[in-house]
Amino acid sequence: EADIYQTPRYLVIGTGKKITLECSQTMGHDKMYWYQQDPGMELHLIHYSYGVNSTEKGDLSSESTVSRIRTEHFPLTLESARPSHTSQYLCASSQSWEQETQYFGPGTRLLVL
Amino acid sequence: AQTVTQSQPEMSVQEAETVTLSCTYDTSENNYYLFWYKQPPSRQMILVIRQEAYKQQNATENRFSVNFQKAAKSFSLKISDSQLGDTAMYFCAFMKPTGNQFYFGTGTSLTVIP
Repeated sequence: EADIYQTPRYLVIGTGKKITLECSQTMGHDKMYWYQQDPGMELHLIHYSYGVNSTEKGDLSSESTVSRIRTEHFPLTLESARPSHTSQYLCASSQSWEQETQYFGPGTRLLVL
Repeated sequence: AQTVTQSQPEMSVQEAETVTLSCTYDTSENNYYLFWYKQPPSRQMILVIRQEAYKQQNATENRFSVNFQKAAKSFSLKISDSQLGDTAMYFCAFMKPTGNQFYFGTGTSLTVIP
């Protein structure tokens, strides 16, 4: 398995709370990604990063924000969680010398009550 | 824009049999990467196989092989000798070498029947 980690794995939280989903990788990959995925459905890219201090929004509009202060760390933050944010969030990383193959973390399942 | 289409939302196969999952894509690029990912129930997404468009030879990884038809923009996955552990969602994905994003298909849910 790839060396990419996500915490927490499961989170149940009330509406209006601020949450941060953690993602870290030990492979030295420059590129990192956040996807949102409803159960059994396709992945939607919400954020990506080419490297430190680089962040971009993906195709799916999201109220979340990300930061990339260190190569290995790419946290995602929701300032005020809502039930519509209930989903699974997958983090991934890649590097060009591996044909851009993305390695995925185990995901965080978020439930907002 | 790049799009990836998986026209089979669900498939099933008898254990030890062979199954083929289809994937088509649309792009104006000449060079790109194609991938098949597997996502078992409640488990991590993992890479099954990848193909570089400039390579004519079809990629093979043990029981998994692809049929890459560049002109037809088709990239099907063949699973031979299906095993119960192959039960999963399978996603086809496309990426340009200089691109920023993966483009995923909607997935095919494969069930291997004992």
